[in-house]
Amino acid sequence: AQSVTQLGSHVSVSEGALVLLRCNYSSSVPPYLFWYVQYPNQGLQLLLKYTSAATLVKGINGFEAEFKKSETSFHLTKPSAHMSDAAEYFCAVSGNTGGFKTIFGAGTRLFVKA
Amino acid sequence: EAGVAQSPRYKIIEKRQSVAFWCNPISGHATLYWYQQILGQGPKLLIQFQNNGVVDDSQLPKDRFSAERLKGVDSTLKIQPAKLEDSAVYLCASSLAPLGGVTGGYTFGSGTRLTVV
Repeated sequence: AQSVTQLGSHVSVSEGALVLLRCNYSSSVPPYLFWYVQYPNQGLQLLLKYTSAATLVKGINGFEAEFKKSETSFHLTKPSAHMSDAAEYFCAVSGNTGGFKTIFGAGTRLFVKA
Repeated sequence: EAGVAQSPRYKIIEKRQSVAFWCNPISGHATLYWYQQILGQGPKLLIQFQNNGVVDDSQLPKDRFSAERLKGVDSTLKIQPAKLEDSAVYLCASSLAPLGGVTGGYTFGSGTRLTVV
């Protein structure tokens, strides 16, 4: 079975500060890993994805994530937060465990202070 | 390209009433998914269609939920009768290939927010 744990339901940073959103996964097969962003009253938008190529993945809006197999982690980072980054972020894992399914984490809401 | 279209955006109904949501995926996308997102949780898959056939409906509460995609394009999700715990955002997503969503990521619509009172 696969699972995703996002550490911290809420994260608050100051504008210009480093953003770090944590995600740990559990998977018995090589995983596909994703980060999605959800702005208020909108659907989820794909931010970036890891599909067994480079372990450091760059996404849209200056975000990147690093796949660390030894730590079963896929943390999302951005060097400098912008007010427009305030949103909810979801980590997701999928893989062929007798059928492909995507499991989403519970989400982390990012607040950016001026 | 146009995105995934969903309607209505918001719906408020009383418990035991019925409700239907509509989704039109991106043109040419053969795979369509319905997800339920309860407040404070991540999306949970309800049903997956490949063209007009159901691939996975293992998490669909079939005693009250039904979905169809008759012509392999747009889809309708229905709840009858609704319960208070059905209050959630219902998201539709599509992907070009059968495993496109799970391997490459989904394209989601804006969702329908359902409130059951």
